[in-house]
Amino acid sequence: AQSVTQPDIHITVSEGASLELRCNYSYGATPYLFWYVQSPGQGLQLLLKYFSGDTLVQGIKGFEAEFKRSQSSFNLRKPSVHWSDAAEYFCAVGSYNTDKLIFGTGTRLQVFP
Amino acid sequence: DSGVTQTPKHLITATGQRVTLRCSPRSGDLSVYWYQQSLDQGLQFLIQYYNGEERAKGNILERFSAQQFPDLHSELNLSSLELGDSALYFCASSVGAEGQGPYNEQFFGPGTRLTVL
Repeated sequence: AQSVTQPDIHITVSEGASLELRCNYSYGATPYLFWYVQSPGQGLQLLLKYFSGDTLVQGIKGFEAEFKRSQSSFNLRKPSVHWSDAAEYFCAVGSYNTDKLIFGTGTRLQVFP
Repeated sequence: DSGVTQTPKHLITATGQRVTLRCSPRSGDLSVYWYQQSLDQGLQFLIQYYNGEERAKGNILERFSAQQFPDLHSELNLSSLELGDSALYFCASSVGAEGQGPYNEQFFGPGTRLTVL
């Protein structure tokens, strides 16, 4: 069965610092991987996605993620965090034969000035 | 703004009651998905409709039901409500083209926050 693990429930960084949010997945075939962001009182917004090809994926708002099959990971990174990046981040996995997404439990990012 | 609208934004009701949540998808999208976000279960897929027909089912309770109407809006009906049903309910929509799987990017609405007292 598909599953997604986000080991970090809460991360705090200083503005301008680099960021890495961890995501590990479990899926028997080629996974389709996503990162979503949820700002307070908002719905989820897609940051980036990986289907195939280049394992380093660029997304919106300066985020990128790297797919590492050997580690079953899809970590989200940003070189310099802005205060507006404070939000909850969800990693998700999908499969080709179904549209549904399996989400991780989320990582809440707090940014200090 | 994703283009997906959900009403109401907030709903407070009592145990044992029944409520209906409404979702209007983005213009042109044929698929509608419902997700439940709660503190203990996280974000879980409930059900998907495509052009009026049920396409996929997740961890949806028997007390819950959904439908998609000819104008493509969808309603999620929750009955015999329990305290544990308190959650944020999201609707998402996508083009939903057959056989495209996750290529069908899902756009999420702002959610309906349900509080059961």
